[in-house]
Amino acid sequence: GAVVSQHPSRVICKSGTSVKIECRSLDFQATTMFWYRQFPKKSLMLMATSNEGSKATYEQGVEKDKFLINHASLTLSTLTVTSAHPEDSSFYICSAARGRRTEAFFGQGTRLTVV
Amino acid sequence: GESVGLHLPTLSVQEGDNSIINCAYSNSASDYFIWYKQESGKGPQFIIDIRSNMDKRQGQRVTVLLNKTVKHLSLQIAATQPGDSAVYFCAESRRGGGNKLTFGTGTQLKVEL
Repeated sequence: GAVVSQHPSRVICKSGTSVKIECRSLDFQATTMFWYRQFPKKSLMLMATSNEGSKATYEQGVEKDKFLINHASLTLSTLTVTSAHPEDSSFYICSAARGRRTEAFFGQGTRLTVV
Repeated sequence: GESVGLHLPTLSVQEGDNSIINCAYSNSASDYFIWYKQESGKGPQFIIDIRSNMDKRQGQRVTVLLNKTVKHLSLQIAATQPGDSAVYFCAESRRGGGNKLTFGTGTQLKVEL
C-alpha cells in the first residue's frame, strides 16, 4: 500500500510553545490530506481537511488559529499547534488518499505531550 | 446525530478461532466503507474496503460483509492469530463527501492463547 510518513512520532513541549507536525505522502501525490486527533481508547476525530494550495477546512469546534494547517505541496501537509497547553496533549494522526473515494493511508501518528 | 458505531467494545477470541467484528452506520448516503486495524501507539492500518454496490468482499484471511438494508457492516477474521490483537475501526464516506471519513468507536480484539 501507499506510504504516509508523519514526523515526529513523539514530542514533549512546554506550555506556550508551538509544535509543528509534518505529514508526507512518500510515493504518491495527495491534493487532500486529513488531520485527526485521538484521545486514549477513543476513536479518531477529524480536525480538518488540508487542501493543497488553498485554505484548510476545519471541522466544527476546532480552532483554526490554534491548529494551523499548511499544505504547500502535493506531498506535504503540516499541522502547527500554537501556544500549546496541557489540554492539547493527544495523539495526532494524518491521512492521505491516492485518489478520489479510495482508501486513505495513515501516518504513524504523533504523540504530543504538553508540560 | 448520524454516526458509525460498533456493537461491542471488546471481543476476546481463542487463537485459531474466527472473529467477527460488527459495525452499524446510520447515514443512507454512506457508500464506501473501510476497516482499519490500529495497534497501540500507531496509526490505523488499512485492512479491506467495500463499496455499496457490493455485499461481500474477501481478502487474505478477512471478509467484509455489507448489509445495506439494515445498515450493518462486519469484518470476519479467519483463524485469528495473536498478531491480530488490536483495535478495529470501521469508517465510512458519503456521496459528495470526497475522501472524508467518519470513524466508528472501535472494537478491541484480544486473542487468547
